[in-house]
Amino acid sequence: DVKVTQSSRYLVKRTGEKVFLECVQDMDHENMFWYRQDPGLGLRLIYFSYDVKMKEKGDIPEGYSVSREKKERFSLILESASTNQTSMYLCASSFLQGNNSPLHFGNGTRLTVT
Amino acid sequence: AQSVTQLGSHVSVSEGALVLLRCNYSSSVPPYLFWYVQYPNQGLQLLLKYTTGATLVKGINGFEAEFKKSETSFHLTKPSAHMSDAAEYFCAVSGPSGSARQLTFGSGTQLTVLP
Repeated sequence: DVKVTQSSRYLVKRTGEKVFLECVQDMDHENMFWYRQDPGLGLRLIYFSYDVKMKEKGDIPEGYSVSREKKERFSLILESASTNQTSMYLCASSFLQGNNSPLHFGNGTRLTVT
Repeated sequence: AQSVTQLGSHVSVSEGALVLLRCNYSSSVPPYLFWYVQYPNQGLQLLLKYTTGATLVKGINGFEAEFKKSETSFHLTKPSAHMSDAAEYFCAVSGPSGSARQLTFGSGTQLTVLP
């Protein structure tokens, strides 16, 4: 089974802190994604990566950056956390080739910024 | 541009009753359609998908969905609800390439199953 592991289940950070959310997948997937999940808004794509060191902005990239130095690892960075970034963050991965390749999700990181 | 509307943010059914979760989409190109389920404290997992061909799609755990182009709908059904079906369900649409980059999710429907 594909495993997508997010390093933290819960995080509490202070406003202005630099925050790193880590995600690792073990299926050699080319694509990796960071989503933000908020009640009533569904999932919104922050960034995605289709290869090492390659990244593209999603629908809501403002206030976030990403890093993909190794194929299996995709990091989401909040340069200066703000209270409106309090949310559930979901990492996902999929194969590049093969349309409709399903997304495999991690269990999420619930971030609270105070 | 594409969008997804899930009618009803909360749906309650009795155990053994029919489950019907509604999803309507808009897309300027033939869509690929998906249902994902999120159990408490977990990430999302794929229930089923429609790409081309047969419009009635069967998924895991006894769920199925029917693509109706004329109604721009992709409603999710299950004949008999089980307590373990309690979860949040997300409908999603992508363009014809099926690229996950183009995936648009609905706002989700929380399903409660009453004993």
